[in-house]
Amino acid sequence: QQPVQSPQAVILREGEDAVINCSSSKALYSVHWYRQKHGEAPVFLMILLKGGEQKGHDKISASFNEKKQQSSLYLTASQLSYSGTYFCGTDLNRDDKIIFGKGTRLHILP
Amino acid sequence: NAGVTQTPKFQVLKTGQSMTLQCAQDMNHNSMYWYRQDPGMGLRLIYYSASEGTTDKGEVPNGYNVSRLNKREFSLRLESAAPSQTSVYFCASTPLVGDPDTQYFGPGTRLTVL
Repeated sequence: QQPVQSPQAVILREGEDAVINCSSSKALYSVHWYRQKHGEAPVFLMILLKGGEQKGHDKISASFNEKKQQSSLYLTASQLSYSGTYFCGTDLNRDDKIIFGKGTRLHILP
Repeated sequence: NAGVTQTPKFQVLKTGQSMTLQCAQDMNHNSMYWYRQDPGMGLRLIYYSASEGTTDKGEVPNGYNVSRLNKREFSLRLESAAPSQTSVYFCASTPLVGDPDTQYFGPGTRLTVL
């Protein structure tokens, strides 16, 4: 069951904040976040496990609400390098069968 | 370490032709995956292998076969290519099943079926 990401696309000015959401209709074991630049492979950002732990590094953080089967990715004071497509991937059964959403395109303007 | 490598980088096929996409990782990972990426569709899981000798279907397995040749290599075969299989194919690997960790992606293979 593919997770649903919202919004589909975001345009921001440098320094503004963004929130990207990922929701599932089924209970989740873990949520994975990746960023992909055009023409490149996806690159890992972070994993959140069942338990609602919030993670983050630098100005990118994420939360996981297991009751709602939702995760949110927070980008604070966005930089030009944050531009790209963000994907969430979900693992339902702790079997590493990762199903990705359709992605959220983020474009940062100078 | 080369990480995850994929060959070829680009390929053009005619409808009905067959080919095998190769993937190898040198990180001693147990789990390996094949995804396809189409505009607006995200990454869709074709097949995955939790360990050497095992393979399982993902979301879109029809028209594909896989082989986990050994711990390092996981190949994807198109027996009779169709235009609907035009896509970018990514291979990925992760250390262990059931222990959530980073998926490392290869650079991708761009396949066009005419």
